[in-house]
Amino acid sequence: SQQGEEDPQALSIQEGENATMNCSYKTSINNLQWYRQNSGRGLVHLILIRSNEREKHSGRLRVTLDTSKKSSSLLITASRAADTASYFCATDAASSYKLIFGSGTRLLVRP
Amino acid sequence: DAGVIQSPRHEVTEMGQEVTLRCKPISGHDYLFWYRQTMMRGLELLIYFNNNVPIDDSGMPEDRFSAKMPNASFSTLKIQPSEPRDSAVYFCASTIWDYTEAFFGQGTRLTVV
Repeated sequence: SQQGEEDPQALSIQEGENATMNCSYKTSINNLQWYRQNSGRGLVHLILIRSNEREKHSGRLRVTLDTSKKSSSLLITASRAADTASYFCATDAASSYKLIFGSGTRLLVRP
Repeated sequence: DAGVIQSPRHEVTEMGQEVTLRCKPISGHDYLFWYRQTMMRGLELLIYFNNNVPIDDSGMPEDRFSAKMPNASFSTLKIQPSEPRDSAVYFCASTIWDYTEAFFGQGTRLTVV
């Protein structure tokens, strides 16, 4: 079963715009991670945020975590056509290390 | 390190045949995960190992699926007999220890006809 659910399922934006994706999860976690998947490829880790952190940055990526609402958001600023991919959140349960992925958001960045 | 290596990259087999997927994790990584990805069900965790020991196999769909990790550098996922509904992309991933980033292989695209 999936722990996280991403919203929206699909997002289409113009190059240069910001893209925001949201993730909601069900149970207590230790960490939340975001991954990217290009078509036909494996997933690539983007960023990890721990349950005691509220915000984290990495380059053009900004991740927030609200454990009270069991939700996270991934912001990609100044998007590029090369950012076109599917983005997944992944959570590990506080009680056991099972890395569970959400349903993903398909991002299309139009040149 | 070459990363997580999966083989084969593509597999086409007939219904009823046995299929074996292989994975070589990154050297020194303690955890290994097997996932299945389909359009309908997304990315499902099938089983994961810690130090070669299966920890949770609750995601394995049925008895036709089995996974082993005979040593720290090799794991297999076997489907016997295979069915068309097993068609999916199967990913292997490893992590150096718990609660850290996972490194994924390129996946095996399985088609059962």
